[in-house]
Amino acid sequence: AQRVTQPEKLLSVFKGAPVELKCNYSYSGSPELFWYVQYSRQRLQLLLRHISRESIKGFTADLNKGETSFHLKKPFAQEEDSAMYYCALSARSGANSKLTFGKGITLSVRP
Amino acid sequence: EAGVAQSPRYKIIEKRQSVAFWCNPISGHATLYWYQQILGQGPKLLIQFQNNGVVDDSQLPKDRFSAERLKGVDSTLKIQPAKLEDSAVYLCASSFERHLSYEQYFGPGTRLTVT
Repeated sequence: AQRVTQPEKLLSVFKGAPVELKCNYSYSGSPELFWYVQYSRQRLQLLLRHISRESIKGFTADLNKGETSFHLKKPFAQEEDSAMYYCALSARSGANSKLTFGKGITLSVRP
Repeated sequence: EAGVAQSPRYKIIEKRQSVAFWCNPISGHATLYWYQQILGQGPKLLIQFQNNGVVDDSQLPKDRFSAERLKGVDSTLKIQPAKLEDSAVYLCASSFERHLSYEQYFGPGTRLTVT
């Protein structure tokens, strides 16, 4: 069975400070990992996926298979980054895939 | 493009009553998902449809929950009878196809309170 662990519920930083949102996973297969974000009064939306290896809104995340981690990082936080962030893992079953989400972390960026 | 639509946005019912939620996915999206999100937790997949067929309902409490997508477009999720622990946000999502290389788009959710 697959599991996603986000060990912290809340991270509060000042604007301009670095941010690291932690995510660890357990899965016996080859994982596909994602970060989803929900801004206040908005819908849950995809932020980035590890296979894309891209930076979105200044955020990056590297899959570390040795440590089974997929931490989300940003060198300089902005107030508009304040939101709820969810790490998610895709588990394959035949031709199908389904997402397992972590419990999420609230990022608060203070001015 | 128009997003995933859900209704109602809020619902309050008493335990043992029944309730139904409706979802209209993005036009052309073959795959539709229903998630349950309990306060303080991440979304949990309840059921996944590919067109009008069920692909995965392993986490759906089938003694009280049911869902259908008869014409392969919009979908309804029903709870009968409701329990206190069903209080949650019910999210609908859709994607072009079921492979996760296709992004899931989420609706605004229906917040259910069972008293």
